[in-house]
Amino acid sequence: GDSVTQMEGPVTLSEEAFLTINCTYTATGYPSLFWYVQYPGEGLQLLLKATKADDKGSNKGFEATYRKETTSFHLEKGSVQVSDSAVYFCAALNSGYSTLTFGKGTMLLVSP
Amino acid sequence: EPEVTQTPSHQVTQMGQEVILRCVPISNHLYFYWYRQILGQKVEFLVSFYNNEISEKSEIFDDQFSVERPDGSNFTLKIRSTKLEDSAMYFCASTAGSYEQYFGPGTRLTVT
Repeated sequence: GDSVTQMEGPVTLSEEAFLTINCTYTATGYPSLFWYVQYPGEGLQLLLKATKADDKGSNKGFEATYRKETTSFHLEKGSVQVSDSAVYFCAALNSGYSTLTFGKGTMLLVSP
Repeated sequence: EPEVTQTPSHQVTQMGQEVILRCVPISNHLYFYWYRQILGQKVEFLVSFYNNEISEKSEIFDDQFSVERPDGSNFTLKIRSTKLEDSAMYFCASTAGSYEQYFGPGTRLTVT
């Protein structure tokens, strides 16, 4: 079945540092790919998505590019803020009404 | 902005007891899901529901689990006889049929 692997956390950065959280997937066909974010005490929120190869999803300064050749969807942000501290989940979806396959989540801690 | 709500936020129960976790999906959504996350592990799919019936379920969703949409707004997950290993965060999600699933804040279930 499908699987998603993302880097272990926590990732600890200082404010304004560059962020990369790695995510790779294995799937039959070409899934849509997502990054969800979970702030403390809240639910999972969709951060960005890409539905086909070479698409770039972006939102709130975060970006991720769907790389079919490396089966990756790494999350990046040029300058993190303290308010970005959260758990980030990479996920894959094989069809519009299907179910999401999640990675384990990566906690990001940003200090002032 | 419409959101998915879940109650209770935290449920403590004794092993062998029945629990019902409640969700109110977004009102015009048609597809409903339950996922769970055991502490430190991946978010895992349990079941999807459409047109008043289960459309897909995982191996986790055995005879101890059931789902119901008892009225036009609620979507419930029942665990008939809880086990210690059912302790997890349970997330409800809904979608209108696009690729974006909207998640609730979760119910933390603790089985003692």
